Amino acid sequence: EVQLVESGGGLVQSGRSLRLSCTASGFTFADYGVSWVRQAPGKGLEWVGFIRSKASGGRIEYAASAAGRFTISRDDSRSIAYLQMNSLKTEDTAVYYCTRDVTLIIVVTPLYYFDHWGQGALVTVSS
Amino acid sequence: SYDLTQPPSVSVSPGQTASITCSGDNLGEKYVCWYQQKPGQSPVLVIYQDTKRPSGIPDRFSGSNSGNTATLTISGTQAMDEADYYCQAWDSSTYVFGTGTKVTVL
Repeated sequence: EVQLVESGGGLVQSGRSLRLSCTASGFTFADYGVSWVRQAPGKGLEWVGFIRSKASGGRIEYAASAAGRFTISRDDSRSIAYLQMNSLKTEDTAVYYCTRDVTLIIVVTPLYYFDHWGQGALVTVSS
Repeated sequence: SYDLTQPPSVSVSPGQTASITCSGDNLGEKYVCWYQQKPGQSPVLVIYQDTKRPSGIPDRFSGSNSGNTATLTISGTQAMDEADYYCQAWDSSTYVFGTGTKVTVL
């Protein structure tokens, strides 16, 4: 059974840092990309960033709201992905989910989506 | 940036059909998927590649995508289908989510 478990959430002051972990099991972690998606209280889903598998080039991309402050990395030997969040703002308060990414090209059209999600980690940034 | 617009809410009677739209420029040229999120839970994939259902998703869920609009249809809606639904596509190296639709089963 595919499982993704986030950890490391909590209460942090504005301007400080926090690192989330996503521990995977039930599949070959190294074969898949991972994304982070967040959801502010009462709001919709917002993609934060992704890291592709090393076999797919290990590419990393971020949403504009995360670029320059957040860093995604992975440790395939431990089946863990990380989200390092620096210079946190109150607007970063959200539940953060990690996902397993499906990335295919059908003829010439990208087929990119999230087939499994973790249970989420709550990050609260206080002023 | 690319935007995906959904109606904020849809109401449906038990046993009837609910249709949720997702609109974006030339959306029919992209693949769309749909996620269901119940209160306090993580999102669950219900439709991928416009029309396909993951294993374990009931066949009352179906999808279509053409022109500027993708549609998630729930046939014979049940009380357990009450949830928020989000469409998602890929554009310019980013994942884009729709604004979300709350489905209420009255």
